[in-house]
Amino acid sequence: SQQGEEDPQALSIQEGENATMNCSYKTSINNLQWYRQNSGRGLVHLILIRSNEREKHSGRLRVTLDTSKKSSSLLITASRAADTASYFCATDAQGAQKLVFGQGTRLTINP
Amino acid sequence: SQTIHQWPATLVQPVGSPLSLECTVEGTSNPNLYWYRQAAGRGLQLLFYSVGIGQISSEVPQNLSASRPQDRQFILSSKKLLLSDSGFYLCAWSVDPAGYGYTFGSGTRLTVV
Repeated sequence: SQQGEEDPQALSIQEGENATMNCSYKTSINNLQWYRQNSGRGLVHLILIRSNEREKHSGRLRVTLDTSKKSSSLLITASRAADTASYFCATDAQGAQKLVFGQGTRLTINP
Repeated sequence: SQTIHQWPATLVQPVGSPLSLECTVEGTSNPNLYWYRQAAGRGLQLLFYSVGIGQISSEVPQNLSASRPQDRQFILSSKKLLLSDSGFYLCAWSVDPAGYGYTFGSGTRLTVV
């Protein structure tokens, strides 16, 4: 399976601090995506990084991708209470029409 | 704009009863459609996906089936529910997962009792 695995499983930080989550995967990919899920809700797409990209920014989000290590990181800067959620990475196999999700990181921002 | 509708939001069903969850997409044509299941506090498990009408790919052998009777309609079914079918079911669509993200529905919380 090429399922991504997030690390850590849970992260608790103070508001205003930066949060970093990591994702590892197993096989070659077209792209890697990050999603956020608030408790009991559907997932929301945050950012997509293609296999030929190394870094991408969107607002307070910064994603890096290292295809040689088959890993990615999501950095949320200047965290806010509203960032409290679970974050998932997802990968697609080259030629596949589907995404495989990891187990997620539960992020808690303490006021 | 594109929207996705998934219903019902919650469902409590007895063991052995049938199931039908429906998902519809508006504002796009020929989307890829997906059913995922999420156990409490866990990641998403891909159950079925469809790249066109009548085309269903099954990822996990189980007590469930899926159908796509219309271009923008995706149905998840079971003839007889098991306790292990409990979970949070999510429908999603994508134009092209190689270049675009998924849009998820709001999910159905299924409890089999």
